[in-house]
Amino acid sequence: GENVEQHPSTLSVQEGDSAVIKCTYSDSASNYFPWYKQELGKRPQLIIDIRSNVGEKKDQRIAVTLNKTAKHFSLHITETQPEDSAVYFCAANSNSGYALNFGKGTSLLVTP
Amino acid sequence: NAGVMQNPRHLVRRRGQEARLRCSPMKGHSHVYWYRQLPEEGLKFMVYLQKENIIDESGMPKERFSAEFPKEGPSILRIQQVVRGDSAAYFCASSPPGSENIQYFGAGTRLSVL
Repeated sequence: GENVEQHPSTLSVQEGDSAVIKCTYSDSASNYFPWYKQELGKRPQLIIDIRSNVGEKKDQRIAVTLNKTAKHFSLHITETQPEDSAVYFCAANSNSGYALNFGKGTSLLVTP
Repeated sequence: NAGVMQNPRHLVRRRGQEARLRCSPMKGHSHVYWYRQLPEEGLKFMVYLQKENIIDESGMPKERFSAEFPKEGPSILRIQQVVRGDSAAYFCASSPPGSENIQYFGAGTRLSVL
């Protein structure tokens, strides 16, 4: 499948700080970019998504930005809380339109 | 709405046995996807099914793996003659008609092959 690269692999922030996770994709046909949060032993949970016809989307403390020209998109979490600690995955749909290609994940730790 | 239901949550098999993983999509969802997750890795697409049809199995190994989504009942991912390398978490996702991108995941089945 097409590649989705995600950085950093681990991220540690103090409670109240912001966290930024970045992803790049290779398939120029990708037009849907979801972000999932996965707590240990639990299901990946869709937290926000963005389509290629918009550059930014915000939902309370989380926001996603997309740069289609550069083929990269980012997740921003503001005012982080300990319960934000989890593994976050970015994804991009493949040229088939529906299969998602995932990054390898970012383990976020928010310390009180 | 109970969400995507997968069972069993944990499955232990010896090498050479068969593993059957079951997935019931969310109510009203007619599209099912299976993904495999190895430790420290992201999810890898395996197969996409609609009722009684395999739409895309490009991510599924050619041998020993098969999937179905019958008219009645859950989707089944079947792994024959399991090997240690099949040990992984297998996640199922579903999406409603017309919104194939928006996928909701089940809690996964963790397969351990001894």
